[in-house]
Amino acid sequence: NAGVTQTPKFRVLKTGQSMTLLCAQDMNHEYMYWYRQDPGMGLRLIHYSVGEGTTAKGEVPDGYNVSRLKKQNFLLGLESAAPSQTSVYFCASTPMVLNTEAFFGQGTRLTVV
Amino acid sequence: TQLLEQSPQFLSIQEGENLTVYCNSSSVFSSLQWYRQEPGEGPVLLVTVVTGGEVKKLKRLTFQFGDARKDSSLHITAAQPGDTGLYLCAGLTSEGGKLIFGQGTELSVKP
Repeated sequence: NAGVTQTPKFRVLKTGQSMTLLCAQDMNHEYMYWYRQDPGMGLRLIHYSVGEGTTAKGEVPDGYNVSRLKKQNFLLGLESAAPSQTSVYFCASTPMVLNTEAFFGQGTRLTVV
Repeated sequence: TQLLEQSPQFLSIQEGENLTVYCNSSSVFSSLQWYRQEPGEGPVLLVTVVTGGEVKKLKRLTFQFGDARKDSSLHITAAQPGDTGLYLCAGLTSEGGKLIFGQGTELSVKP
């Protein structure tokens, strides 16, 4: 089983460039999440989705956009990258059932120079 | 805004010692989860606690959910170098599907 797959795994961007991170899950999960992880900050929620066609803001949404056109995919966009967006990005998914496990991708390491 | 505060942020101990990590909030959570993350990997679920006062054991790890369901603790007995990693608590907020995490506790167990 593939589980949750993130693409790409590494990327270096110049300030002002744009990019899209792709998260794909094959478990038919309803809920999907994008987090960023910085040293000493744990996982901070950027945006999340509770179903196809829906998105909602998390704790640190500024500078990011998301789309969930298909249930299995959750895209995270950076329209104009800034050095402050240098981070490791994780995608996760869960079924629409309380108290169930969140499954994570392997992460995308993004550096903005 | 519901927040989860973890302490301590860093913990460096010798093999064989015991330790406790705390996860606190001013808000009530329907459940709390504990995850462990190793370098270069995504977090992996250790346990979910659901009932106030609940205690769950996973080998040398003991998890407790506070009676008021606002806090949780993770206790490790006789820590081993293999326990080294980042431990994260997480909870679903009242905003329907929003899953938030604490800042994490970086544990280092030296042989």
